[in-house]
Amino acid sequence: AQSVTQLGSHVSVSEGALVLLRCNYSSSVPPYLFWYVQYPNQGLQLLLKYTSAATLVKGINGFEAEFKKSETSFHLTKPSAHMSDAAEYFCAVSEGTGNQFYFGTGTSLTVIP
Amino acid sequence: DAEITQSPRHKITETGRQVTLACHQTWNHNNMFWYRQDLGHGLRLIHYSYGVQDTNKGEVSDGYSVSRSNTEDLPLTLESAASSQTSVYFCASSPLGSGTYNEQFFGPGTRLTVL
Repeated sequence: AQSVTQLGSHVSVSEGALVLLRCNYSSSVPPYLFWYVQYPNQGLQLLLKYTSAATLVKGINGFEAEFKKSETSFHLTKPSAHMSDAAEYFCAVSEGTGNQFYFGTGTSLTVIP
Repeated sequence: DAEITQSPRHKITETGRQVTLACHQTWNHNNMFWYRQDLGHGLRLIHYSYGVQDTNKGEVSDGYSVSRSNTEDLPLTLESAASSQTSVYFCASSPLGSGTYNEQFFGPGTRLTVL
C-alpha cells in the first residue's frame, strides 16, 4: 500500500514570508500526487496535482509543488504568504489501481500578521 | 452547476442508534467515496464504489455500510452508532475510467456526534 507523510502538523509563517509544507510519499509504482486545502468548516478543494507531465506543478492561489523522485517528495510552496492562506493542507497519493487516495495527516498553516 | 451535497450537515445521535448520512452528486461520476476525518489521522477511507451495485471496503469499514442503487447517491449507514464514530464525514466523487490521476471532488462534510 502507498502512504504519505506530512512533516509538521502545524506551521506558522509571517505574512509575506515563504510557505513550505512538506510531503513525502512511499510508492512502488509511479505515483499521482495531489495537494488539497481545507478552509474551516468546509470540504477539501484541489490546489494542484502531479500526473507525470512536468515535475514543477503550478496550482491555484500562487501555490506550486515540485516532484522529486530521488527524494520521494512533493513539497508545497508559495513565495509570499497571505492571511487568506491560513487553512489545513493535505497531501494525497493515488494508488495504481482504481482511484483510491491515501491522505497525509495534514498540516495546519497559520499566517501571522 | 454540478455539485456534491451532503445531508445533514450536523447530526447528534445516541449510542446504538442507526444513522444514515446522505451523499448526492450531480457530476455524473461513477466513482464515489466516503472518508472520516479525525485529528491526527487526516482522512481515512471508509467505503467506496465504482458504479451502481458496486461497493468496496476501505481502511476503516467496521461498523459502516453503503449501498449504490443509482449513479448519484451513496448513503453511508452506521448500523449501531458508537462514540468512536464521532467524527466529520466527507463524501467525494471522481470520473470513471480515466486512470488514477483524476482529482476527487469533495462535499462540505457532515459533523456527527454520538453521545
